[in-house]
Amino acid sequence: NAGVTQTPKFRILKIGQSMTLQCTQDMNHNYMYWYRQDPGMGLKLIYYSVGAGITDKGEVPNGYNVSRSTTEDFPLRLELAAPSQTSVYFCASRRDYTEAFFGQGTRLTVV
Amino acid sequence: EDKVVQSPLSLVVHEGDTVTLNCSYEVTNFRSLLWYKQEKKAPTFLFMLTSSGIEKKSGRLSSILDKKELFSILNITATQTGDSAVYLCAVEADDKIIFGKGTRLHILP
Repeated sequence: NAGVTQTPKFRILKIGQSMTLQCTQDMNHNYMYWYRQDPGMGLKLIYYSVGAGITDKGEVPNGYNVSRSTTEDFPLRLELAAPSQTSVYFCASRRDYTEAFFGQGTRLTVV
Repeated sequence: EDKVVQSPLSLVVHEGDTVTLNCSYEVTNFRSLLWYKQEKKAPTFLFMLTSSGIEKKSGRLSSILDKKELFSILNITATQTGDSAVYLCAVEADDKIIFGKGTRLHILP
């Protein structure tokens, strides 16, 4: 079992560029989450999904988009990258009534 | 607005000391409270608490939840340098999992 896999691990973007952070899980989990973690801070929820075809905004959704066409995949799209989006991004998944499992993170720098 | 507040934000103790980390919350439709440990990379799961007053224990770590007063504590006894990390408290509410800012714990040898 690979668990939760995020790609890429590192990325440098120029202001105004777009990119997609990939997240896939092989545990057949229905819930999936995207978080960002700024230096010295906790995790802020960007978007989440309770199952294929269903997504909802979290605490800090502006500047991001998501889709959930399959149970396994939950990509996060950044349009028009800004320096404020420099952060570490974590994807997580879980089943009902269990803890969330995290991917290893993507470190994104916008310059 | 759902809120999870941890205290202290930072703590420095000597090896062998006992520490207590605090987590209070205000959320709608509470389902569970989770504790995670984060070293350099992804958070790793410690405990999940759903019922008041029932202590969860794993080695030197233990945690308890008070659903009436809306808080939880994480205790670490006989601390070791390997316990140095950020400890994150999170609350599951309405399908979301909301995190606090974390407590940065540093253990001096």
